[in-house]
Amino acid sequence: EVQLLESGGGLVQPGGSLRLSCEASGFAFSNYGMTWVRQAPGKGLEWVSGIVGSGGKTYYAASVKGRFTISRDNSKNALFLQMDSLRAEDTAIYYCTKTGGSGWHFDYWGQGTLVTVSS
Amino acid sequence: EIVLTQSPGTLSMSPGERATLSCRTSQSVSGNSLAWYQHKPNQPPRLLIYGASKRATGIPDRFSGSGSGTEFTLTIRRLEPEDFAVYYCHQYGTSPFTFGPGTKVEI
Repeated sequence: EVQLLESGGGLVQPGGSLRLSCEASGFAFSNYGMTWVRQAPGKGLEWVSGIVGSGGKTYYAASVKGRFTISRDNSKNALFLQMDSLRAEDTAIYYCTKTGGSGWHFDYWGQGTLVTVSS
Repeated sequence: EIVLTQSPGTLSMSPGERATLSCRTSQSVSGNSLAWYQHKPNQPPRLLIYGASKRATGIPDRFSGSGSGTEFTLTIRRLEPEDFAVYYCHQYGTSPFTFGPGTKVEI
């Protein structure tokens, strides 16, 4: 059974940093691209960042490029999102997602972790 | 960036009715790389359809997807009580990957 478990969310001041983690199990982790998707309060879904299975290529939304860094440790089946220079508009639930293999659709999602950026 | 537009914003339906949700993209979607997700409060989104028309594992056949290019449709053949939720389309053919604003299907 595929499981994705996020951690690392919390309250942080504007300009601060936070590192999210996602622990994956139940599938061959290194064979799949992984992404982060977020949902701000009362808003829709926003794709944030993605990384290919090998970790050799990464992708970012314009809203986070230069501030967020996605990475993975295939030896530990773990996905990370380093978030720096956080802003109030980064407040959201952050979901870890697994891609479908045949494309960058998201066939499994974690329960999400809440990030609140506020002074 | 490819912009997705969904219509209507809200769909007021009754159980047993047929629901038709539309998703329009600002550019043609590469390889028909278009997915649909169902999202209920306090739950993560669930993949329904990918590749414009392929049902994800475990999705009932009352859900179907169609379309190509810039026009896509999600049809729910006979609404069940558990189908009332927000539905998002998502293009993953071109980075940055983008979502539509959602259609809320309400009773």
